[in-house]
Amino acid sequence: KAGVTQTPRYLIKTRGQQVTLSCSPISGHRSVSWYQQTPGQGLQFLFEYFSETQRNKGNFPGRFSGRQFSNSRSEMNVSTLELGDSALYLCASSLELKGLLGANVLTFGAGSRLTVL
Amino acid sequence: AQKITQTQPGMFVQEKEAVTLDCTYDTSDQSYGLFWYKQPSSGEMIFLIYQGSYDEQNATEGRYSLNFQKARKSANLVISASQLGDSAMYFCAMREGGIYNQGGKLIFGQGTELSVKP
Repeated sequence: KAGVTQTPRYLIKTRGQQVTLSCSPISGHRSVSWYQQTPGQGLQFLFEYFSETQRNKGNFPGRFSGRQFSNSRSEMNVSTLELGDSALYLCASSLELKGLLGANVLTFGAGSRLTVL
Repeated sequence: AQKITQTQPGMFVQEKEAVTLDCTYDTSDQSYGLFWYKQPSSGEMIFLIYQGSYDEQNATEGRYSLNFQKARKSANLVISASQLGDSAMYFCAMREGGIYNQGGKLIFGQGTELSVKP
């Protein structure tokens, strides 16, 4: 079955612009999480959406926002881009069966690599 | 505060040999989950193996096994019979909040870059 699809894969923006990244989860997965990966800070959790509601949020400024649609597809937006926002943005989806004892494995997409000039 | 520590920034291993990647964690939760992911140069994170804090046996998945020592708070990944395709970054991660927590927030370590030599 199709995996997690992220678009665009690569993009270049300039400081002050905004960007929107898209994530299509695996069919049937209702939870979508976003991560930022940089060489200096590593992988950091941005936020998580479940059934169109933000369920958890990492420690990022308000310039980072997201949403989830009724078909579970998710977008994240970064406004007023800064040089430090250059990163690989990873999206992950999961099935999340309530009451399941054990792993709820996150399946990641290939990421969107953002370069801010 | 919860934290994952991977002390080996880079490692080399000869093809067909076994290698252990270290991971220690810090948490005040009594129940939690530990994950290992592989990230090739393409960027996609690939799930390898999971260990629940209440699992009595060490997890195994094919050539991957997890050496879980709860008292020492360590969850080392063992790759047996290394292959050239195993060359990648490896990340240890933790989900807190109880064994029934299925949320998408994981805490990741800084990773270990493994290079397999022919």
